[in-house]
Parts: sequence; structure tokens; C-alpha cells
Amino acid sequence: SAVISQKPSRDICQRGTSLTIQCQVDSQVTMMFWYRQQPGQSLTLIATANQGSEATYESGFVIDKFPISRPNLTFSTLTVSNMSPEDSSIYLCSVEGTGGEPQHFGDGTRLSIL
Amino acid sequence: GENVEQHPSTLSVQEGDSAVIKCTYSDSASNYFPWYKQELGKRPQLIIDIRSNVGEKKDQRIAVTLNKTAKHFSLHITETQPEDSAVYFCAASEFSGGYNKLIFGAGTRLAVHP
Repeated sequence: SAVISQKPSRDICQRGTSLTIQCQVDSQVTMMFWYRQQPGQSLTLIATANQGSEATYESGFVIDKFPISRPNLTFSTLTVSNMSPEDSSIYLCSVEGTGGEPQHFGDGTRLSIL
Repeated sequence: GENVEQHPSTLSVQEGDSAVIKCTYSDSASNYFPWYKQELGKRPQLIIDIRSNVGEKKDQRIAVTLNKTAKHFSLHITETQPEDSAVYFCAASEFSGGYNKLIFGAGTRLAVHP
């Protein structure tokens, strides 16, 4: 399976600031997915990033709050903008498996906003 | 869109007993059903998956069954061990916008007591 590296692994940020999370994959993948996992909760898809096109956002998530870049087939970034304490979560990137479904997750970025 | 319900939310068993976690889904077009194990502070890891053209799949102590008519699927863990203690998530695929995405259940916290 693909090896997925996420940076940073954790961060503590001030309210109102922004943080960019990086996701690097060791092989080329068409689709990359960004998830949020709030404390003690399940995984919720934020958006899907396809190289060369704009990300597709799920209901409840908007580009101004979570801008995403996908410059090539092995890398993506998610920015959490104008953070508030409600944004404290684990953010995970995921890539598709051989069947095309998102299967494999990075270690996640644990974000705390003060 | 797809909706996935997972039961129970918590499950406590004695070492050596079996554990069963059940999920139902709403979209009859879903054709891929993975199960993830998430240990505390770690990434969700794919442990087994099943596609809609198969009714059952087994991998050592873990098995998954799928009933397409009833739209439910289950995870079975036999001879449980303390290291099986974790949160387990089921998911169902949803094909939208030209790609597959996963919709997750709420999770089951499994505790295996020695």
C-alpha cells in the first residue's frame, strides 16, 4: 500500500490564524481525500482533490475556509483558515487504493486552537 | 446521499470470545465496504473489505459478511485478544462526481478484557 506522510503531525495555533497541512505520497495517485475527525468522533470527508482541477467540497465545507492545492500526483495541501476552537480536530489525508476507493490514511495532523 | 449506521457504539468482551459489529447502509448502488481499525492516537488502518459481488470474506480471525438485499454488513472477530481493543469503523462507497468516496459509520469502541 502507499506510504503517506503528513506534516505537521500536531500543532497548537492561535485563534484567527491559518495553518497549512501537507500530504505527500510515495506513488502517483489520481485522487486524494481530506478528512476531519473531531475528538471521539468518526471521519467526515471535507473535500476531494484531483490533480489539475479544483477540489470538490462536501456539504458543510467551503473553499474559503479549507483551501486545497493539488499541484501534482503525489502531493496535496489543506489549509485551515481563520481558525477557531471548533476547528480543533485531527485532519487526515487519504489516497485511493487499486480499486479507486479511498483506502489508505496518513498519520493525521492533530490541531488544537487556543 | 449514502447514510451508514453502525451498532453497537461500545462493545466489551472477554478474551477468547467473539465480537460482532453491524452496519447498515442506505444507497443500494454502494458496492464497496471496508472496515478500519483505529488504535488510540493512530491512523485508521484498513483491516478487511468486501465488494458487492461477494457475500463473505475471511482473513484469519476476521470475517466480513454482506447482505445486499437487506443492505447490511457485519464484522466478525473470533478468538479476540487484548490487542484487538480499538475503535472500529465501517464504511460504504458512494459514487459521485466521477469518483468513489467513503461514508463512515459512527464507530464501535471494542474493549477486550484479559
